[in-house]
Amino acid sequence: AQSVTQPDIHITVSEGASLELRCNYSYGATPYLFWYVQSPGQGLQLLLKYFSGDTLVQGIKGFEAEFKRSQSSFNLRKPSVHWSDAAEYFCAVGKAAGNKLTFGGGTRVLVKP
Amino acid sequence: KAGVTQTPRYLIKTRGQQVTLSCSPISGHRSVSWYQQTPGQGLQFLFEYFSETQRNKGNFPGRFSGRQFSNSRSEMNVSTLELGDSALYLCASSSGWPNEKLFFGSGTQLSVL
Repeated sequence: AQSVTQPDIHITVSEGASLELRCNYSYGATPYLFWYVQSPGQGLQLLLKYFSGDTLVQGIKGFEAEFKRSQSSFNLRKPSVHWSDAAEYFCAVGKAAGNKLTFGGGTRVLVKP
Repeated sequence: KAGVTQTPRYLIKTRGQQVTLSCSPISGHRSVSWYQQTPGQGLQFLFEYFSETQRNKGNFPGRFSGRQFSNSRSEMNVSTLELGDSALYLCASSSGWPNEKLFFGSGTQLSVL
């Protein structure tokens, strides 16, 4: 069965500093990997996704993620965070068919001024 | 282009009652997925409908059911509500191709008293 682990429940970062969110997955085949962001009271917005090819994926809002098969990881990074990046971030893995996603527990990011 | 619309936004029910939630996908989208979000269990997949047929199903009891109409609008029904059904229910739509970008609605917040 597929699973996703986000080891950090909360992360506090200063505005302008870099951010890295960790994600480890367990999946029997080639994974379809996603990062979503959720602002309070809102639905989820896709930041980026990885299916195949280049292991460094660029997304929206200046985010990028790197797929490392040997470590079963798909960590999200941003070089310089803005106050508007404060939100909850979810890593997810998808099946080969359909749109059934398994989500990690999420990481809540707080941005200090 | 209008986004994914979920109604109602908030709902309060008592144990034993049943509830129906509605989701209108983005125009042209044929796939609708439902997720339950709770503080304890996180985001969990309920089911996915594609062209009026259930394509994927999560591990929820039979009290949770859904359907999709010919215009792609979807409804989710929960019968015999339990306190543990209190959650944010999120609907997501997509074109239907596997692992295509999901567009999420803002959700229906269900409280069971």
